[in-house]
Amino acid sequence: GNSVTQMEGPVTLSEEAFLTINCTYTATGYPSLFWYVQYPGEGLQLLLKATKADDKGSNKGFEATYRKETTSFHLEKGSVQVSDSAVYFCALMDSNYQLIWGAGTKLIIKP
Amino acid sequence: KAGVTQTPRYLIKTRGQQVTLSCSPISGHRSVSWYQQTPGQGLQFLFEYFSETQRNKGNFPGRFSGRQFSNSRSEMNVSTLELGDSALYLCASSPTGTGGTKNIQYFGAGTRLSVL
Repeated sequence: GNSVTQMEGPVTLSEEAFLTINCTYTATGYPSLFWYVQYPGEGLQLLLKATKADDKGSNKGFEATYRKETTSFHLEKGSVQVSDSAVYFCALMDSNYQLIWGAGTKLIIKP
Repeated sequence: KAGVTQTPRYLIKTRGQQVTLSCSPISGHRSVSWYQQTPGQGLQFLFEYFSETQRNKGNFPGRFSGRQFSNSRSEMNVSTLELGDSALYLCASSPTGTGGTKNIQYFGAGTRLSVL
């Protein structure tokens, strides 16, 4: 069946460090892939998405590239800020157009 | 444009009771999905409604049910509450819930249910 695997957290970085959060997936076909972010006490916000192989999604300095050959969609940011502290979820959309989620990765940025 | 609104934000119930949660989607969105979020199981899909019909269902017992009204507002009901039902329940809306550029789901802030 479809599944998403994310690196376990928490990930702790200093401000201005480079960020990578790994995400790999198992699915039939080529599903759309998403990164959502959840700030404390809030719901989920779409961060970026990619709908086909080699697509690059980007938003607010975050990027992720849909890699078909490695079934990956790693999230990256060149210079993180304290305000980026949150939980990040990788997800794929299945054939019923529903989201299958990774476990989430908590990101802590220290000033 | 107003976002997805979920009410109430917090609920405390006791075992055996039932509860109803409400979700108002973004204006013009016709698809509403519900998710359960717990520390142990993460995010799990409950069901999806489109034009007042349940279109998809996750792997949850029959105690979990929902409905959608003609204005696309949706309610979720959990009967005979168990301790394990304590969770954050998230509602998401999308224009059509199908593929293409319209398949983005927008989430509400959630209802946090505590079962004592």
